[in-house]
Amino acid sequence: DAKTTQPNSMESNEEEPVHLPCNHSTISGTDYIHWYRQLPSQGPEYVIHGLTSNVNNRMASLAIAEDRKSSTLILHRATLRDAAVYYCILRDRQGLDSNYQLIWGAGTKLIIKP
Amino acid sequence: DTGVSQDPRHKITKRGQNVTFRCDPISEHNRLYWYRQTLGQGPEFLTYFQNEAQLEKSRLLSDRFSAERPKGSFSTLEIQRTEQGDSAMYLCASSLQDRNSPLHFGNGTRLTVT
Repeated sequence: DAKTTQPNSMESNEEEPVHLPCNHSTISGTDYIHWYRQLPSQGPEYVIHGLTSNVNNRMASLAIAEDRKSSTLILHRATLRDAAVYYCILRDRQGLDSNYQLIWGAGTKLIIKP
Repeated sequence: DTGVSQDPRHKITKRGQNVTFRCDPISEHNRLYWYRQTLGQGPEFLTYFQNEAQLEKSRLLSDRFSAERPKGSFSTLEIQRTEQGDSAMYLCASSLQDRNSPLHFGNGTRLTVT
């Protein structure tokens, strides 16, 4: 079973910010939060990851709740090219064997309206 | 940036036939993963290699499935006596040895068993 829960789909208008939520209430102290996205007919693409502090990179920002039981991926200005399925997954930083299985849920399908 | 390449992109086969897929990872990556993905679902872990050693296999990987990475570079995934339930996208990913190194995915091989 997936360790994270995400809404099935979300819609947003082009050039507006998008906040994609993820719940991971059973997260352990050694789990990193990773986000990937998958564009149609492509393999998943790494977006960002974090442990406790908020993180920023050229693609997105990751806001992590203080209790770490939830996180939000923020796309600051969505474009049509951001339309994809976004996956939130947990990776054990201790590198236990099960870590490499990266249990994926069904993700959130993000629809961008022009 | 050559990325992860997979061959073929599409494969149609008749039930009972054997098929083999190839994955060429990013050259400096010593970890290689195989996943399977069906429509509307996230990727499901099948197996992973560190260099040429196959370190973990999912319960999903029945006896009909075998994966190799003979020289720690490219990998092959073979499915013997294919069944219609094997129809899916087969994804390959690679990463550096660092436990939190992002996975880089190929664009997959779509298998259709008729």
